Amino acid sequence: GQNIDQPTEMTATEGAIVQINCTYQTSGFNGLFWYQQHAGEAPTFLSYNVLDGLEEKGRFSSFLSRSKGYSYLLLKELQMKDSASYLCAVMDSNYQLIWGAGTKLIIKP
Amino acid sequence: GAVVSQHPSWVICKSGTSVKIECRSLDFQATTMFWYRQFPKQSLMLMATSNEGSKATYEQGVEKDKFLINHASLTLSTLTVTSAHPEDSSFYICSARPGDTEAFFGQGTRLTVV
Repeated sequence: GQNIDQPTEMTATEGAIVQINCTYQTSGFNGLFWYQQHAGEAPTFLSYNVLDGLEEKGRFSSFLSRSKGYSYLLLKELQMKDSASYLCAVMDSNYQLIWGAGTKLIIKP
Repeated sequence: GAVVSQHPSWVICKSGTSVKIECRSLDFQATTMFWYRQFPKQSLMLMATSNEGSKATYEQGVEKDKFLINHASLTLSTLTVTSAHPEDSSFYICSARPGDTEAFFGQGTRLTVV
């Protein structure tokens, strides 16, 4: 079956760095997405990786290793507004998105 | 990025009534739209894939007669929750992709059935 694993919850301090990991097993691979979702709101797009390596976009970076079925989202210089759930999703061979359960990130002052 | 508009943002309805939720792609054409449901503290669950001009594809366990999907044009898909019950109370989200890349989401609709 298809499976996406990510930690349920993480806590970090304002100004620090946090890495959210995601491992996946899917039928085919057409890219991995990270979304941010604040409570009660729809997800917003953060990043897309389809080739191995690191993609940097401001304070957020995303890494992919297809051979290991592994990705991480790196958030630097954490701000209180970064408190949210972070969803990892993989697009399978049918171009369907398979979603992880999300990681709730709590930022403490 | 592309814009997907969903309406209404929230709705309260009586048990047994029907509710229609609209999803529009504002600046691109979407031959395919997706409908998700999200219960509190849970991930997005794909309900169905809406295809313009043809029948929707429902995920296992989703009642097609209860959740009616109509994708009448390249910019509009609707989800109708028929004969709603309290257990249908949830956050419903639509999404569309301009191509085979990132998905853009509507604002979501919080449905409360009383």
